[in-house]
Amino acid sequence: AQSVAQPEDQVNVAEGNPLTVKCTYSVSGNPYLFWYVQYPNRGLQFLLKYITGDNLVKGSYGFEAEFNKSQTSFHLKKPSALVSDSALYFCAVRTYYKLSFGAGTTVTVRA
Amino acid sequence: DGGITQSPKYLFRKEGQNVTLSCEQNLNHDAMYWYRQDPGQGLRLIYYSQIVNDFQKGDIAEGYSVSREKKESFPLTVTSAQKNPTAFYLCASKTFGIQPQHFGDGTRLSIL
Repeated sequence: AQSVAQPEDQVNVAEGNPLTVKCTYSVSGNPYLFWYVQYPNRGLQFLLKYITGDNLVKGSYGFEAEFNKSQTSFHLKKPSALVSDSALYFCAVRTYYKLSFGAGTTVTVRA
Repeated sequence: DGGITQSPKYLFRKEGQNVTLSCEQNLNHDAMYWYRQDPGQGLRLIYYSQIVNDFQKGDIAEGYSVSREKKESFPLTVTSAQKNPTAFYLCASKTFGIQPQHFGDGTRLSIL
C-alpha cells in the first residue's frame, strides 16, 4: 500500500533559522507527493507537489522540497523560517484516485 | 472568488440523531472528498466522488453516507450508527489529473 510517514511530531526552530520537516514514503511505482499546511481551525493549503523531473521542487511562501529516490524521502525546507510559518504540516502521497496523508508535524517558530 | 464552502462551522449532535454537513464548490471541479481529522491521526478519507451520481467508500465509511446529485455539492450525513462522531470534518475538491486538492475550512462536530 502507498503510504507516507512523518517521523517528527514537532519541530521547533528560531526565526531566521532553516526549517526542515521530514517525510518518507513507501510506494510501488512512481510516487506523486504533496505538502500541505494547516493553520488552526482552517482547511489545508497546498504548498507544492512532486510528479517527475527536477528533484528540488519550489512552492508557495518560500518553501521547497527535495525528492530523494534512494532514501525514499521528500523533506520540506525553508531557508529562513518566520514566526508566521508556525502551523501543522502534512505530507501526502497520491494513491490511485486518493491522497494518503501522514500524521502531521507541528512546527513552532519562536521569535 | 472561487472556493469551497463548508457549513456550518460548528455542529452539535444529540444521541440517536443524524446530522448533515454541507460542502459546496464553485471551482468547477469534478472530484470531491470528505475527510475526518482527529488529533495526531492526520486525515482519514470517508467518501469520495469523481463524477456526479457516483461515489466510493473511503477508509472509514461506516456510519456515514453521502450523495452527489450536483457537481457543486457533496453533502455528508453523519448517522446515529457513527458512535464516535466528534471530529473536525474537511471537504476537498480537485480537477482531473495529478492536481492538488483544494480544501474548505471545515466543520467541527461535537456530541451534546
